[in-house]
Amino acid sequence: DAGVIQSPRHEVTEMGQEVTLRCKPISGHDYLFWYRQTMMRGLELLIYFNNNVPIDDSGMPEDRFSAKMPNASFSTLKIQPSEPRDSAVYFCASSSYGQSAGHEQYFGPGTRLTVT
Amino acid sequence: LAKTTQPISMDSYEGQEVNITCSHNNIATNDYITWYQQFPSQGPRFIIQGYKTKVTNEVASLFIPADRKSSTLSLPRVSLSDTAVYYCLALLDNYGQNFVFGPGTRLSVLP
Repeated sequence: DAGVIQSPRHEVTEMGQEVTLRCKPISGHDYLFWYRQTMMRGLELLIYFNNNVPIDDSGMPEDRFSAKMPNASFSTLKIQPSEPRDSAVYFCASSSYGQSAGHEQYFGPGTRLTVT
Repeated sequence: LAKTTQPISMDSYEGQEVNITCSHNNIATNDYITWYQQFPSQGPRFIIQGYKTKVTNEVASLFIPADRKSSTLSLPRVSLSDTAVYYCLALLDNYGQNFVFGPGTRLSVLP
């Protein structure tokens, strides 16, 4: 398996623009997670899905952020409108509950977002 | 959600054994102790998980005393490539809570 795939790897955009980050989880995994990492706040869980259904979105910072998972092999995280404080590395991860009770998450390479 | 505390940074030399201790005083009965490793510009990678006593895999060992208020990740004979940030988490055996990664321990392995 190619692992978790994220695109784009780097995104530079101007404040106010819409940004869409994409993730393809590992085939067969039924959990998908979106994280954000910054120097100041560390690694934060934004939202996670189980079988394509959002389970907990309490980590989503505000209404400008939205996430969807239309099928088992694809998820998006959208920021509209983007702001400079959204600059961070966004990671997608997936897991299967059968592996270590779901604690073994596989992370993608991340998308480095810069909002100017 | 059990709060974990671990040293911010540690230095070691190649070939030495490194022990990173994590405190989790309010760990719940059903919490598992889980460790992740993160290299620069990469996502975290699962290392090991345990509930009590000792767990060993091809990468590390995890020691958990009977009271489970702390745990120690042991890395045998570290190399330069083990330089990374190591995160300790206490997690329920289900998805009823967030995965909260603290600041972790930044391990620097020196030649």
